[in-house]
Amino acid sequence: KQEVTQIPAALSVPEGENLVLNCSFTDSAIYNLQWFRQDPGKGLTSLLLIQSSQREQTSGRLNASLDKSSGRSTLYIAASQPGDSATYLCAVRSGNTGKLIFGQGTTLQVKP
Amino acid sequence: KAGVTQTPRYLIKTRGQQVTLSCSPISGHRSVSWYQQTPGQGLQFLFEYFSETQRNKGNFPGRFSGRQFSNSRSEMNVSTLELGDSALYLCASTGGAEGYTFGSGTRLTVV
Repeated sequence: KQEVTQIPAALSVPEGENLVLNCSFTDSAIYNLQWFRQDPGKGLTSLLLIQSSQREQTSGRLNASLDKSSGRSTLYIAASQPGDSATYLCAVRSGNTGKLIFGQGTTLQVKP
Repeated sequence: KAGVTQTPRYLIKTRGQQVTLSCSPISGHRSVSWYQQTPGQGLQFLFEYFSETQRNKGNFPGRFSGRQFSNSRSEMNVSTLELGDSALYLCASTGGAEGYTFGSGTRLTVV
């Protein structure tokens, strides 16, 4: 049974700092991994998608890496801004079906 | 292109009632999935529909059901509502190997 864990659960940093969010999964046989952002009371916004054959993806100040053998993914946020404050969720898709397994999320606060 | 549209945005229902939520996927997407999000359990998979057929189902009681229409729009129904059904219900669609796009959700409060 696939399990996804995200650490830390919460993180508070000053503006401008570079930071790393971690996601680990127990079954390395994944189809892809997706990082999402969720603002309070809102839906999920997709940030990055990494296919199982890829090692990393980049979008602006965001970079996500994937190491299937160790069951880990990291989301790197460069030069953090107050607008980055949100909950970040990692989700693993194990097959070509619709079931995503989510971690509990990391709630990020970036202080001005 | 238009995103995933969920209606209504908010609902307040009484215990014992039933509720129907609607989801319109991105045009061309044939797969629609539903998730329940609560503070205690996080995001949990309810079910997935593909071409009007339920392809996958999570561990929820039979009070939770869904369907998909020929235009890929999906509905989710919860019967005999319980207080614990209060949650944010999220719908997501995908066209295949691409990632999932989520809607803004329906906030259901059961009183």
